[in-house]
Amino acid sequence: GAVVSQHPSRVICKSGTSVKIECRSLDFQATTMFWYRQFPKQSLMLMATSNEGSKATYEQGVEKDKFLINHASLTLSTLTVTSAHPEDSSFYICSARASERGNTEAFFGQGTRLTVV
Amino acid sequence: AQTVTQSQPEMSVQEAETVTLSCTYDTSESDYYLFWYKQPPSRQMILVIRQEAYKQQNATENRFSVNFQKAAKSFSLKISDSQLGDAAMYFCAYRRMFQGAQKLVFGQGTRLTINP
Repeated sequence: GAVVSQHPSRVICKSGTSVKIECRSLDFQATTMFWYRQFPKQSLMLMATSNEGSKATYEQGVEKDKFLINHASLTLSTLTVTSAHPEDSSFYICSARASERGNTEAFFGQGTRLTVV
Repeated sequence: AQTVTQSQPEMSVQEAETVTLSCTYDTSESDYYLFWYKQPPSRQMILVIRQEAYKQQNATENRFSVNFQKAAKSFSLKISDSQLGDAAMYFCAYRRMFQGAQKLVFGQGTRLTINP
């Protein structure tokens, strides 16, 4: 399958600071990228869907001003957690698809463990 | 809205035996995809198997097969000849095929333990 690289894999930041997580599709152009949050021993919760060159669509209950998503190119999407607080500590996972619709697979990054202290 | 339910939080099986993980879903659509994903301790999501709803034949990938019952909205995963490397969280997921946002809707997950 195609490769999606997420960076960093782990990050620790101080409360009140911002942290950026990158998601790159290495061998295909990703028209659509998804950002998930996963709490311990729970399922993946979709935060937002981003299409290259347009604004992200956030799921209900997700603060778009806190979780800034940028999908500026066909191979890169970023998630910035602004003014992070300890409750933002979680595992964040991205996935990417070659097109928004149709019979295309979504490939997942390896995830980023964020710890806010 | 579509929902996916996995009623077994945990399952265990002896190595080399067969185990079946259950999944039910709710949708009003007739065309869609169903998936089983594996999440090992590394937390990398790995696609195990995929089923298109319009296909009557159950999907099979080596030791992994599904029992897709469209009328009952059931999509179980059977793992044959279980191996230690199969130990992981398994998530059932649904995705629309045509109109609307084509995002994955995940079940709650089933933690599978393989006993040596």
